[in-house]
Amino acid sequence: NAGVTQTPKFQVLKTGQSMTLQCAQDMNHEYMSWYRQDPGMGLRLIHYSVGAGITDQGEVPNGYNVSRSTTEDFPLRLLSAAPSQTSVYFCASSYDRWGTEAFFGQGTRLTVV
Amino acid sequence: QQQVKQSPQSLIVQKGGISIINCAYENTAFDYFPWYQQFPGKGPALLIAIRPDVSEKKEGRFTISFNKSAKQFSLHIMDSQPGDSATYFCAASGAELGQNFVFGPGTRLSVLP
Repeated sequence: NAGVTQTPKFQVLKTGQSMTLQCAQDMNHEYMSWYRQDPGMGLRLIHYSVGAGITDQGEVPNGYNVSRSTTEDFPLRLLSAAPSQTSVYFCASSYDRWGTEAFFGQGTRLTVV
Repeated sequence: QQQVKQSPQSLIVQKGGISIINCAYENTAFDYFPWYQQFPGKGPALLIAIRPDVSEKKEGRFTISFNKSAKQFSLHIMDSQPGDSATYFCAASGAELGQNFVFGPGTRLSVLP
């Protein structure tokens, strides 16, 4: 049972490049989410999905796109990378949005130069 | 924007001592309050959680104290060990609000041997 798997673990992008951060879970969770973690700011929600085909914006969605074609996968796309998107990104899944344990991936450390 | 405030930002405790981290929230409709523990290079993992119908929850050396009237909750780590050195995040969510998890900014705990 792998839990939540994120790839890649590290990535360096040039300003303006695009890329996709992959996230997969094998727990059959309906709810999945993407967070970014910056020093002193905790975890901020970028986008989330309550099930296949349903996505919505979180607190800091600008510059990011998501899709949810299957229950298992929830990729995060950076459309045109900017230095302000340098951060550690975490994908998480849980049974629901509110009151149950969220399982996090190992994170992707992204640097935009 | 719902917020969760957390203090202190960092904490240094001697081995065997008590570590105390405090959080405060604004919206009384929050009804689930988890604490997450994060080791360097890893994703956060659920440590312990509480709902507002109880004032305290204990799991091993970890205790959450909850003060509904003051809208505050705290994490107590008894007999702190060097292996407890990590970053701790409090969070809150509310099904009635349709509110996703909101995380505090985190507390970096260092337990000295």
